[in-house]
Amino acid sequence: AQKVTQAQTEISVVEKEDVTLDCVYETRDTTYYLFWYKQPPSGELVFLIRRNSFDEQNEISGRYSWNFQKSTSSFNFTITASQVVDSAVYFCALSEDYGQNFVFGPGTRLSVLP
Amino acid sequence: DTEVTQTPKHLVMGMTNKKSLKCEQHMGHRAMYWYKQKAKKPPELMFVYSYEKLSINESVPSRFSPECPNSSLLNLHLHALQPEDSALYLCASSQAFLAGAGEQFFGPGTRLTVL
Repeated sequence: AQKVTQAQTEISVVEKEDVTLDCVYETRDTTYYLFWYKQPPSGELVFLIRRNSFDEQNEISGRYSWNFQKSTSSFNFTITASQVVDSAVYFCALSEDYGQNFVFGPGTRLSVLP
Repeated sequence: DTEVTQTPKHLVMGMTNKKSLKCEQHMGHRAMYWYKQKAKKPPELMFVYSYEKLSINESVPSRFSPECPNSSLLNLHLHALQPEDSALYLCASSQAFLAGAGEQFFGPGTRLTVL
């Protein structure tokens, strides 16, 4: 069975600090997809990134970067120079079977203080 | 149009009521999903439709009845709910399966309260 672990339940940082959100996954499939979503207080889930199991290249998008390491089954997310608007719950998710099985991790609540 | 819309935004119903939640997308996606999210918990998958056919039912009680009238619409019919069914109900859509697991686009949700 697939499983996603986000060990950090809550993180608080001061604005402009860098912060890394951890995600560890478990799957028996060789083809799978990993995602990060942001859920601000408004409630709507916002897609951030998708990565397939064959693409281990790290990715950077503005202040966001992702580190995918199959050897440790991890897909960590770093926010550089955090801002108050980054305050939200962040979910890591795993999809197997070409998308039919989709499971979210428990989420990490990030608070960025001014 | 990269939006998933859901109506209503808020719904309060009694345990004997019958109501429906609606979801619509115009991105040409052929997979649509219903999730239930309790406070401080991740979304839990309830149903998946692929090409308007029910593909996955995650052992959801029969008081929840999904319907996909066409490729753009997804309904969730509610009947005889319990107070513990109060939650945020999220709809999502994505590219069809077998095209790779496309990212899911989520609607804003319907916040349901059962009295």
